[in-house]
Amino acid sequence: DGGITQSPKYLFRKEGQNVTLSCEQNLNHDAMYWYRQDPGQGLRLIYYSQIVNDFQKGDIAEGYSVSREKKESFPLTVTSAQKNPTAFYLCASSIQDQPYNEQFFGPGTRLTVL
Amino acid sequence: AQSVSQHNHHVILSEAASLELGCNYSYGGTVNLFWYVQYPGQHLQLLLKYFSGDPLVKGIKGFEAEFIKSKFSFNLRKPSVQWSDTAEYFCAVNGEDSSYKLIFGSGTRLLVRP
Repeated sequence: DGGITQSPKYLFRKEGQNVTLSCEQNLNHDAMYWYRQDPGQGLRLIYYSQIVNDFQKGDIAEGYSVSREKKESFPLTVTSAQKNPTAFYLCASSIQDQPYNEQFFGPGTRLTVL
Repeated sequence: AQSVSQHNHHVILSEAASLELGCNYSYGGTVNLFWYVQYPGQHLQLLLKYFSGDPLVKGIKGFEAEFIKSKFSFNLRKPSVQWSDTAEYFCAVNGEDSSYKLIFGSGTRLLVRP
């Protein structure tokens, strides 16, 4: 089955630690995205990547970093600089060169900072 | 800054009632519009989309939405809701500076009582 996988489903972190969230897709999509979902705020874009080895900051990139070394993988690192990291993180992907940007989402990772 | 407004944060309906969820966006140019749904414990998935043509768009599970350009609106409707429609609904529009970016509304939680 084609889709997007995110791991782990739940993640706990102590303050001051960096943590990396995994996102893998086998849809052969060029573009990948990371969103943060907080209650009552919808989804906010953290980073996105249109091609391998290239990525752009979204609206709330501070305290996060990404890499795109392979087409199918787009890991997100939540650094100790992120002031309020507890949230639900969603990864998405989409095809390039289409008249609309339909994004497909993974199941998400819930990060809790203790 | 570009924004998407969903005015109803929580909606409670009885089965068979009609549904209309409001969505307004601020971007005045050419837009692609989406409604996504997040059922409890499931992935965020696309309900319907508009990018050109007939402004009345039909999606899955009996949902439809109407694009009214003059009102900057893309309201979601369903004539008769079911208990299984209980979910959170998100409206989204493509970013004005990039067709690859989606701007999401804050979401509407719908509870359908049997």
